[in-house]
Amino acid sequence: GENVEQHPSTLSVQEGDSAVIKCTYSDSASNYFPWYKQELGKRPQLIIDIRSNVGEKKDQRIAVTLNKTAKHFSLHITETQPEDSAVYFCAASKGGNQFYFGTGTSLTVIP
Amino acid sequence: EADIYQTPRYLVIGTGKKITLECSQTMGHDKMYWYQQDPGMELHLIHYSYGVNSTEKGDLSSESTVSRIRTEHFPLTLESARPSHTSQYLCASSESGNSPLHFGNGTRLTVT
Repeated sequence: GENVEQHPSTLSVQEGDSAVIKCTYSDSASNYFPWYKQELGKRPQLIIDIRSNVGEKKDQRIAVTLNKTAKHFSLHITETQPEDSAVYFCAASKGGNQFYFGTGTSLTVIP
Repeated sequence: EADIYQTPRYLVIGTGKKITLECSQTMGHDKMYWYQQDPGMELHLIHYSYGVNSTEKGDLSSESTVSRIRTEHFPLTLESARPSHTSQYLCASSESGNSPLHFGNGTRLTVT
């Protein structure tokens, strides 16, 4: 099966700085890579996703890059704000029935 | 509004009780999932379904069962609750394996 590793497990940045979270996957057949943000006490919510036919996708301060050769994808948050503080999860899917999640990154943005 | 709904939101029960956690979605999604998650921690797949009358076991399925009689409804049953079941249970659905998961608000279960 697929194995998704996520690093770092915790990340602290100063407000206004950038944050980068990286995930690696093992199965080259994986073709869909969503990122979820989970605020304290709330449900995970999709913030951005990328499919294997695209190398990069951007939505305002958030971007995701995908390197299929190296089998890794990364979440980039620029100009971080305190409301970006949350746990972020990456996931991979082969288009079948299962999503394989990373173990999560707890991001703290220090005002 | 199209969404995914879980009840109850909080539940405290005694050891040995049988409980059913409810999950319904109004988006017409074929795929539905149950995850167990301690606060802010990793998501563990319990069961999933890719359509009516189809269910599959995930990593933590041994102490629970699910059914999928209707597209919109995917209840999770714990036959005999134990303190180790204390956790948050998240239900999710998706249109396909290449579409985003939509999560419910979760049921926070405490077994005393």
